[in-house]
Amino acid sequence: AQSVTQLDSQVPVFEEAPVELRCNYSSSVSVYLFWYVQYPNQGLQLLLKYLSGSTLVESINGFEAEFNKSQTSFHLRKPSVHISDTAEYFCAVSDADTDKLIFGTGTRLQVFP
Amino acid sequence: DAGITQSPRHKVTETGTPVTLRCHQTENHRYMYWYRQDPGHGLRLIHYSYGVKDTDKGEVSDGYSVSRSKTEDFLLTLESATSSQTSVYFCATKGSQETQYFGPGTRLLVL
Repeated sequence: AQSVTQLDSQVPVFEEAPVELRCNYSSSVSVYLFWYVQYPNQGLQLLLKYLSGSTLVESINGFEAEFNKSQTSFHLRKPSVHISDTAEYFCAVSDADTDKLIFGTGTRLQVFP
Repeated sequence: DAGITQSPRHKVTETGTPVTLRCHQTENHRYMYWYRQDPGHGLRLIHYSYGVKDTDKGEVSDGYSVSRSKTEDFLLTLESATSSQTSVYFCATKGSQETQYFGPGTRLLVL
């Protein structure tokens, strides 16, 4: 069965510093990969996704993630974070032949001034 | 925004009582999902539906049942609530390009 590992439960960082949130998934022939963001007391919102094609995907607010098949990873990066990026970030994966998402346990990003 | 609403948004109940949570969507999406979110576990799938009257179990389905009599509504029932079912429950639908859209959540406290 597919599984997702987010090794860092919390990532503290100062404003304007770069950040990387790590995500690894168990091997599969064909996968779809997602990053969702959850702000306090809200539901999850899609941040970005990889379905096929270019292995580097970007969001509208400056985040990017790269699909690395050999390392089974989909790490999320941002070169310069803002206070408003403080939230919990979830990596998720689905096999191309299922209709279910498997979520990681989440990484809480805390941006300090 | 897939137009997903959940009701109630908050509920406090006692052990042993039945509880029904409702998810309503306005996008005519075929697939609907119920998750629970707990600290240290992320989101875990309880049940999902792939059409009217078509449902299947997820990872943590014990103690829960679901029904879908209309495309727009997906109900989650706790037949006899237990304290271990205290959680935040999220409904989601799947739209185009495999994207799932989430509702605002229901906070359930079982005393």
